[in-house]
Amino acid sequence: EAGVTQFPSHSVIEKGQTVTLRCDPISGHDNLYWYRRVMGKEIKFLLHFVKESKQDESGMPNNRFLAERTGGTYSTLKVQPAELEDSGVYFCASSPQGDYGYTFGSGTRLTVV
Amino acid sequence: RKEVEQDPGPFNVPEGATVAFNCTYSNSASQSFFWYRQDCRKEPKLLMSVYSSGNEDGRFTAQLNRASQYISLLIRDSKLSDSATYLCVVNRRGSYIPTFGRGTSLIVHP
Repeated sequence: EAGVTQFPSHSVIEKGQTVTLRCDPISGHDNLYWYRRVMGKEIKFLLHFVKESKQDESGMPNNRFLAERTGGTYSTLKVQPAELEDSGVYFCASSPQGDYGYTFGSGTRLTVV
Repeated sequence: RKEVEQDPGPFNVPEGATVAFNCTYSNSASQSFFWYRQDCRKEPKLLMSVYSSGNEDGRFTAQLNRASQYISLLIRDSKLSDSATYLCVVNRRGSYIPTFGRGTSLIVHP
């Protein structure tokens, strides 16, 4: 079974630019989550999709972040315009319906310079 | 006060040692508890769930104390390969959204 796939693995962009991160969850997993870990801090929840619907986006830092999951398959997280404090590792995770066990992707390391 | 607190360590122990980590949580409505392991520059991976009765998986034992609101992870006979960061994760009742601790770093040396 393929795991959770994230692309790109690394991204270095300049402040003010736009970056789009992609996550392909495990096939059949209805739940998809985005998290972020800033250096030295704990992993923080960003948002949760159930299929194509945003179930909870209370963790999104501000309106520069936009997540979509069209068709309930893969998801994208766009940051526009990027700021220095957006640097960190962005993890995606998925889980089947009714299951609390998450499978994480290997993350996208975003550096804003 | 953070919702989930862990001693960041690092815990530096020799091979074969027994080591224990604690994690405290502040929300009494918390219902589901997990330990995740994260290797350097890798993603977190589920190590084990934590049940009220306590549970064991090989060299790893997890316990939950609801009255004192803490969970623990005991590792016996430490191996070099156990070196990693151990994340305490807590879910509130009825929620799929986990709250992560900052993690406890373990270094097992020869």
